[in-house]
Amino acid sequence: SQQGEEDPQALSIQEGENATMNCSYKTSINNLQWYRQNSGRGLVHLILIRSNEREKHSGRLRVTLDTSKKSSSLLITASRAADTASYFCATLGGNQFYFGTGTSLTVIP
Amino acid sequence: DAGVTQSPTHLIKTRGQQVTLRCSPKSGHDTVSWYQQALGQGPQFIFQYYEEEERQRGNFPDRFSGHQFPNYSSELNVNALLLGDSALYLCASSLPANYGYTFGSGTRLTVV
Repeated sequence: SQQGEEDPQALSIQEGENATMNCSYKTSINNLQWYRQNSGRGLVHLILIRSNEREKHSGRLRVTLDTSKKSSSLLITASRAADTASYFCATLGGNQFYFGTGTSLTVIP
Repeated sequence: DAGVTQSPTHLIKTRGQQVTLRCSPKSGHDTVSWYQQALGQGPQFIFQYYEEEERQRGNFPDRFSGHQFPNYSSELNVNALLLGDSALYLCASSLPANYGYTFGSGTRLTVV
């Protein structure tokens, strides 16, 4: 299976702290994407990092990719209560996404 | 610019019944994919439609079928519902071979 796995499964932090979640995958990729899901709703695309990139920033988000270790990390800086959600990494194989099991982030005000 | 629209938002069905879920893609998108997300899990790919044909299928039984219409909207049909079919069903639209997928808010199906 190409499916990624996120770590940790759950994370609880205070508002203003940074949150880091990790993702591992199994096969070669062209890119890796991170999505957010609020309380069982739809997925919102956060950021895409290509296989030839090592780091990418978007606002308070920082994503790294290590293709030699087949892993990626998502860092959310200065977290807010509104960041409370589940976060998924996804790789694209053929025409389908392979999602991990997600990290549930709780930001305590 | 409307995003992906799914209907209904919630649905309760009885075991053995059949259900149809609907998806209207984002304007300009012609490819529709369907995913099943069980509680506490990541989404699992069901199938993708392009040019009114099923282009790729995941590991789901034939009870799951779909259709794409000329206006690119799509339906997901599930026959002989099982309790295990209870899940959030997500629709995503895109252009072919494009990384820019847009997901809808999903249909929450409960089978009792």
